[in-house]
Amino acid sequence: QVQLVESGGGVVQPGGSLRLSCVASGFTFSDFGMQWVRQAPGKGLEWVAYIRDDGSNKKYADSVKGRFTISRDNSKSTVYLQLNSLRADDTAIYYCAKVFSGGMDVWGQGTTVTVSS
Amino acid sequence: NFMLTQPHSVSQSPGKTVTISCTRSSGSIASNFVQWYQQRPGSAPTTMIYEDNQRPSGVPDRFSASIDSSSNSASLTISGLKTEDEADYYCQCYDSNNQAFIFGGGTKLTVL
Repeated sequence: QVQLVESGGGVVQPGGSLRLSCVASGFTFSDFGMQWVRQAPGKGLEWVAYIRDDGSNKKYADSVKGRFTISRDNSKSTVYLQLNSLRADDTAIYYCAKVFSGGMDVWGQGTTVTVSS
Repeated sequence: NFMLTQPHSVSQSPGKTVTISCTRSSGSIASNFVQWYQQRPGSAPTTMIYEDNQRPSGVPDRFSASIDSSSNSASLTISGLKTEDEADYYCQCYDSNNQAFIFGGGTKLTVL
């Protein structure tokens, strides 16, 4: 079945870095855009970053632009999110999602990032 | 960027029907498809509606959605409410001008 599995979350100090991974299965990964969405504790969903199916186009929310980098390896059916210069307000559950028709049709279970000293 | 505005919370009794609205602040609601996501407590979101009114396989037909250009809004309607429908619901659409994905603030549905 179609599945997305995230990993790489953890506790990091302000200013630190993390790399999140999301492994896809059950569909032709290279045919679809992918993205990351986050949810701060007790808050709503916030779109973070998008990458086109071939990796040629990437977009970011203003809140993370210049600090986060999305990438993908189609040979490994994996999308990544590099998080640099982390701040307390980046604390959230990070979900990867498969893009379909202007939205998302498949979601992972999420990985938790906590930024704290 | 435009915003999508949802009511903070709605409540209804089991077996009844409830509608959740999602109003676009600028630009036409018909310009980009609207999606709806359900998020139960402690769980990841799941897609309930895509392309304004299409249900993914496995989503009960108790869930339906529409858009209304006169009010520039989208609506999610859940009929025959069950306690398992208690969740947060988010609308979302794509901002073509800024190439960004916009979420509404979410609506907490209580079935009591």
